[in-house]
Amino acid sequence: DVKVTQSSRYLVKRTGEKVFLECVQDMDHENMFWYRQDPGLGLRLIYFSYDVKMKEKGDIPEGYSVSREKKERFSLILESASTNQTSMYLCASSPRQGIPDTQYFGPGTRLTVL
Amino acid sequence: QKEVEQDPGPLSVPEGAIVSLNCTYSNSAFQYFMWYRQYSRKGPELLMYTYSSGNKEDGRFTAQVDKSSKYISLFIRDSQPSDSATYLCAMTPSGGGADGLTFGKGTHLIIQP
Repeated sequence: DVKVTQSSRYLVKRTGEKVFLECVQDMDHENMFWYRQDPGLGLRLIYFSYDVKMKEKGDIPEGYSVSREKKERFSLILESASTNQTSMYLCASSPRQGIPDTQYFGPGTRLTVL
Repeated sequence: QKEVEQDPGPLSVPEGAIVSLNCTYSNSAFQYFMWYRQYSRKGPELLMYTYSSGNKEDGRFTAQVDKSSKYISLFIRDSQPSDSATYLCAMTPSGGGADGLTFGKGTHLIIQP
């Protein structure tokens, strides 16, 4: 079974802090994604990566950056957390040749910024 | 106009009922259509997918695509309380990861025992 794990289930941070969210997958998938999920807005893509050291902006990249130094690990970084970044953050992965692109999701990190 | 429209619900039905969940979309390039199920405080998990128009059945679940109407449906027969979850539709043009997935906002389903 594909397993996508995220470093924390719940996280509370203060405005202005630098926040790291870690995601690890164990199925050797090339593609990795970061989404945020908010009531009434659904899933919105922040960043994705098709390979090590590669990154592409999604629909809402502002205020975020990412890092992919190893194939299995994809990190989301909030450079200076703000209250409007309070959300559920979901990581996903999929194989490069997957048709269709069936993404496997982690359990999510619920981040609260005070 | 949003690319994918999905009624957020909640949709509440008694146990054993047939449930119909739907999405409409505007991008005629979409070819692959998926349904994800998300339990409370968990990540979405893929239920099933279909390619182009037609039906696909998997146990109590049937996915239906009508490309001419740009309308997709998920039917759940003999619904169970364990089916209570949020159901998200997702779609993609070519199927490959390069195009990404476009998600609906999800429908919250409640099956009453």
